[in-house]
Amino acid sequence: DQQVKQNSPSLSVQEGRISILNCDYTNSMFDYFLWYKKYPAEGPTFLISISSIKDKNEDGRFTVFLNKSAKHLSLHIVPSQPGDSAVYFCAGPGAGSYQLTFGKGTKLSVIP
Amino acid sequence: DAGVIQSPRHEVTEMGQEVTLRCKPISGHNSLFWYRQTMMRGLELLIYFNNNVPIDDSGMPEDRFSAKMPNASFSTLKIQPSEPRDSAVYFCASKHSGSGSQPQHFGDGTRLSIL
Repeated sequence: DQQVKQNSPSLSVQEGRISILNCDYTNSMFDYFLWYKKYPAEGPTFLISISSIKDKNEDGRFTVFLNKSAKHLSLHIVPSQPGDSAVYFCAGPGAGSYQLTFGKGTKLSVIP
Repeated sequence: DAGVIQSPRHEVTEMGQEVTLRCKPISGHNSLFWYRQTMMRGLELLIYFNNNVPIDDSGMPEDRFSAKMPNASFSTLKIQPSEPRDSAVYFCASKHSGSGSQPQHFGDGTRLSIL
């Protein structure tokens, strides 16, 4: 059973528009979340994180929103660029303090 | 700065053969992780080392899989004998130990195909 779920396997967005990637989690005790971006034939790279004491964290064009009551987080990319086309993974704590539990990813395609 | 370095990038071999994947973590990182990525199961943690010591190997699928970390700058993941269902992308990641919220840094992976 997945503790971190990304229910949309893919998303297409026009260049310049907003991309919204969603992630749901089951454990209300989760206290941090991370987003990773992955290009083909490369490893995942860390993008942005959020602590559960916040409901928003922003880094340039990337903003992550956390809704603890809904156990939902989202990554907003504004404006979207073709170079943002990649697979995006959200991750939360795992069973051990050192672990991360990853969602299965959402493939974002930004159309020029 | 050099990132996590994995070798080989691709490996194609016949079933029954021994396969050894290699990883050099980022200098100064004392936590190392091996992951396997498949379409069905996504990214799964296989084993976690801290200060070169295996802490959690509960994700290692079978006795055919083994991992070592003889020193702070090198780790191996070995499959012997290999089977077609082992075909996947294997990632190594490293980080400073401490809070789980610190991001892990991934290598570019080894794409393994067992025929």
